[in-house]
Amino acid sequence: ETGVTQTPRHLVMGMTNKKSLKCEQHLGHNAMYWYKQSAKKPLELMFVYNFKEQTENNSVPSRFSPECPNSSHLFLHLHTLQPEDSALYLCASSHGLGSYEQFFGPGTRLTVL
Amino acid sequence: QKEVEQDPGPLSVPEGAIVSLNCTYSNSAFQYFMWYRQYSRKGPELLMYTYSSGNKEDGRFTAQVDKSSKYISLFIRDSQPSDSATYLCAMSEGYGGSQGNLIFGKGTKLSVKP
Repeated sequence: ETGVTQTPRHLVMGMTNKKSLKCEQHLGHNAMYWYKQSAKKPLELMFVYNFKEQTENNSVPSRFSPECPNSSHLFLHLHTLQPEDSALYLCASSHGLGSYEQFFGPGTRLTVL
Repeated sequence: QKEVEQDPGPLSVPEGAIVSLNCTYSNSAFQYFMWYRQYSRKGPELLMYTYSSGNKEDGRFTAQVDKSSKYISLFIRDSQPSDSATYLCAMSEGYGGSQGNLIFGKGTKLSVKP
C-alpha cells in the first residue's frame, strides 16, 4: 500500500451505533488531519495531530473522538451521530505540521440513518 | 463570515477550451494559495501552490494571485477530458502550526466534453 489509505470506504450506521474510521499513511509524515466534506460546503478541518499529539480540535462535537496511537495511524471513533453528520470524511497527512501540501486518502462515505 | 468564496459550478466546456477558475477571500493575512484537484471517489491532490502575489505556470496550468484584490485564479489551457474533476482553492496564513491550517473554498466541478 502506498500513500494514504482509509477504511472502510463506505459506512452506514444508525444513530445509536458506535463505529470507527481508520486512516493509515505510508509516507513517513509527522502530521495527520481529519476533514469533513459535505455537499455544497468547503472542507472543514476537524482535528490535527503532530507526532501523535493532538494540536487542534476545531470545535468538533464530542460524538467524534479521534485517536492517534502513532504517527502512521489515525482513527475517528463515532458514537450517537446525527443524520447531519452524513458526509465524506477525509484523512490527510503532511511532512510537517501546517504544510501547504497535504496528501489525502480517498475518504469514508458515511451515512447516518 | 465566509473566508473563501468559490463558485461551485458545475462548469462544462468543450475539449480544447481555456478554463478559468476563481476564488475570492476576505482574510488579508493569507500568504499561501493552493489549488487542489479532486477526481470522483478520490481525495484532493495538490495541483499548484503560490506564495504571496504573482503568477506560476506548470504545463497547461497557470495560477495567479492578486492580493490587492484578494482574488486568485487557475487557468487551464487546451483542456482535456482528463481534466474533469472538482477544483478546490485553499489558502493559509503561513507555514507551520495553526497558521498553516488550510481554508478551502467549496470547489468548482469542471466537466470537459470530448
